[in-house]
Amino acid sequence: GQQVMQIPQYQHVQEGEDFTTYCNSSTTLSNIQWYKQRPGGHPVFLIQLVKSGEVKKQKRLTFQFGEAKKNSSLHITATQTTDVGTYFCAGRGTGGFKTIFGAGTRLFVKA
Amino acid sequence: NAGVTQTPKFQVLKTGQSMTLQCAQDMNHNSMYWYRQDPGMGLRLIYYSASEGTTDKGEVPNGYNVSRLNKREFSLRLESAAPSQTSVYFCASSEPGQRDYEQYFGPGTRLTVT
Repeated sequence: GQQVMQIPQYQHVQEGEDFTTYCNSSTTLSNIQWYKQRPGGHPVFLIQLVKSGEVKKQKRLTFQFGEAKKNSSLHITATQTTDVGTYFCAGRGTGGFKTIFGAGTRLFVKA
Repeated sequence: NAGVTQTPKFQVLKTGQSMTLQCAQDMNHNSMYWYRQDPGMGLRLIYYSASEGTTDKGEVPNGYNVSRLNKREFSLRLESAAPSQTSVYFCASSEPGQRDYEQYFGPGTRLTVT
């Protein structure tokens, strides 16, 4: 079945450093979504990518969808303490209904 | 709008006990989901309901049953709880066509089975 792998599992950064998390699917995706979960909270939708090679930006966050629509990345420039939490990618396969979540990358930011 | 609500927030069960987790959404969404979240394993889909009157198994359905009571409510039942079901349970809803399946999550139920 469809699998979505996400790396790294954890990342510790100093405030102001950049951060990237990567997501890889075993099958071609129709779209990929990114969610953020603050400690003790619930996942909150950040963005969705649909097109091959798509790049979207939200302030310091840059999201990319690979040309083959099997991988994606989230890059945060100049991290802040408010960026702490776990970032999940979630992919939906072509012709499928279910969205499969990656295991998430937990980001720690030291002030 | 309350969004997605879940009850209870916390629950402790003994092995073999049963319970039902309740979920309701007020966004008129057609699709609803139940996930469990365990450390290092992300969110795993237990069951989903694409629309009122339909339910389907997700990745980890064993030991659970669901009921889509109406368009607003989707409940998850543990018939005979086991320690392996200790987890955080999230309900979510989405509406195909609106930002294409963006999911809105409830606050979660933290379940401990002893």
